[in-house]
Amino acid sequence: AAGVIQSPRHLIKEKRETATLKCYPIPRHDTVYWYQQGPGQDPQFLISFYEKMQSDKGSIPDRFSAQQFSDYHSELNMSSLELGDSALYFCASSSATSGSYNEQFFGPGTRLTVL
Amino acid sequence: DQQVKQNSPSLSVQEGRISILNCDYTNSMFDYFLWYKKYPAEGPTFLISISSIKDKNEDGRFTVFLNKSAKHLSLHIVPSQPGDSAVYFCAASAQNSGGSNYKLTFGKGTLLTVNP
Repeated sequence: AAGVIQSPRHLIKEKRETATLKCYPIPRHDTVYWYQQGPGQDPQFLISFYEKMQSDKGSIPDRFSAQQFSDYHSELNMSSLELGDSALYFCASSSATSGSYNEQFFGPGTRLTVL
Repeated sequence: DQQVKQNSPSLSVQEGRISILNCDYTNSMFDYFLWYKKYPAEGPTFLISISSIKDKNEDGRFTVFLNKSAKHLSLHIVPSQPGDSAVYFCAASAQNSGGSNYKLTFGKGTLLTVNP
C-alpha cells in the first residue's frame, strides 16, 4: 500500500539559509500534519492542513511557513535557519472522511542538520 | 508541561513473556489515544488506538487498556517477540475539540527490548 512520502530524506544547511521540505500524503488523504522531533525528544506538532486550508497551528516559529497544494502535497518552508532547527521533521496524513480519520500515518521523516 | 507522560524510558522483557508499556495523561480533553512503534531512522508506525468510550481494544498480540478515571492507559504485547524491540510512543488527541483534524500530543517514548 502507498505510504506517506517525504523528500528529501536528509538535508544539510548552513545557519541563516532556507530549506524546503516536501510531503506527499497517502492517496485520498485530505489532511496533512507536520511534526518536529528534536534529539531524544517526542514529536512536537507544528501545523496542519485540511483541504488545502490551515486547520491548526502548534509551536511553529514565525520563520517557518507551510502550505498544502491542490494535489494535497504539502511543503514546509524554513528560513533563517538556526542550529536549534536541527531535527527530524515528520509529515503525517489522515482522511477526515474515512472511518479511521483519527489515525495518522507518518512518513519516514526528513533529517535536517543545520551547521 | 508534558501532557502525555511515559515514565519508563526503557523496558526489557524476555521473548514469549508479556510486555506492558504505561502512559499517563493530564489533559481531560483528550478522548482518543494511540500507540505508535518507531524504529531508528523511520517514521512512527501506527499500532493500535482506543476511544475514550471504550476501556479495551485488542488487535492480535496487542491490547490497549484505558482507565479514564486514572487518566492512564497501557499497551500489552503478548507474547513478546524480538522484532517488537523498538521505541513505543503513546499519543493523544482531543477529538471533540472541533474541526476535522486532530493533532497528536506524544509522550517521550519507551524503548522496549525483547531478549531472545
